[in-house]
Amino acid sequence: DTGVSQNPRHKITKRGQNVTFRCDPISEHNRLYWYRQTLGQGPEFLTYFQNEAQLEKSRLLSDRFSAERPKGSFSTLEIQRTEQGDSAMYLCASSSTGFSQPQHFGDGTRLSIL
Amino acid sequence: AQSVSQHNHHVILSEAASLELGCNYSYGGTVNLFWYVQYPGQHLQLLLKYFSGDPLVKGIKGFEAEFIKSKFSFNLRKPSVQWSDTAEYFCAVNGPGNQFYFGTGTSLTVIP
Repeated sequence: DTGVSQNPRHKITKRGQNVTFRCDPISEHNRLYWYRQTLGQGPEFLTYFQNEAQLEKSRLLSDRFSAERPKGSFSTLEIQRTEQGDSAMYLCASSSTGFSQPQHFGDGTRLSIL
Repeated sequence: AQSVSQHNHHVILSEAASLELGCNYSYGGTVNLFWYVQYPGQHLQLLLKYFSGDPLVKGIKGFEAEFIKSKFSFNLRKPSVQWSDTAEYFCAVNGPGNQFYFGTGTSLTVIP
C-alpha cells in the first residue's frame, strides 16, 4: 500500500512532555496537511505545506505546536509541553498541487496525555 | 472563518431505505465541496467532490450530492443504503488559502 503513512499509531505520554509525530505522504504528492480530530468532531485544519514551504500556519492551536517538512517529503508535527487538552487524533493528508485536488488521509496518530 | 454544519448527528436506517444527509456551509465565495467517509477502523476516504459545472455530482458506491448555491448546501444522497454503508460521513469545504473546513460528521448505522 502506497498511501499516507503516519507514525506512531498511538502515543501515550505524561503531561508536560514533548511529542513528535511523523507523516510520510504519497510520494508524488507535494501538498501535505495536518489536522486534529477530537471525539465527536470533524478534522480541524492545523497547517499545510507545499513542498517544503509552510503556506498556512495561522490555525495552529498555539505556539506549542509546530510543523516542519524540511526536504519536501515527510513531515513532523511537534507539540511541546503537552497538556491534557492535546489528547486527540492527529491526522495527516496529502494531495497533488491544484485547488481542486482531493486529499488522501493517513490512519492518524492517537495522542493520549496522562 | 468558514463553518460547515451537518445537522444529522446520528442516522439509523434499515437496508434499502433512502438516505439524505444535510450539509450547509457559510462561505459565500467560490468553494470546492467534498464528502468523505470513514468506515469503522479505516481512514477517511473521498466519496465525491464538486468544483464546478453540473451541480449534481456522482461518487463511488452509488452516492451522489447536489450543490445548491442559493441554499449554501451540498446534501449527500443514496437511493438505497446497504449494511456496508455503516460509517461516519463528513462534509468538507475548501476555500481561500486552501484551508479545509470539515463538519462534525454524521454517524450512519444501517440495520440489516
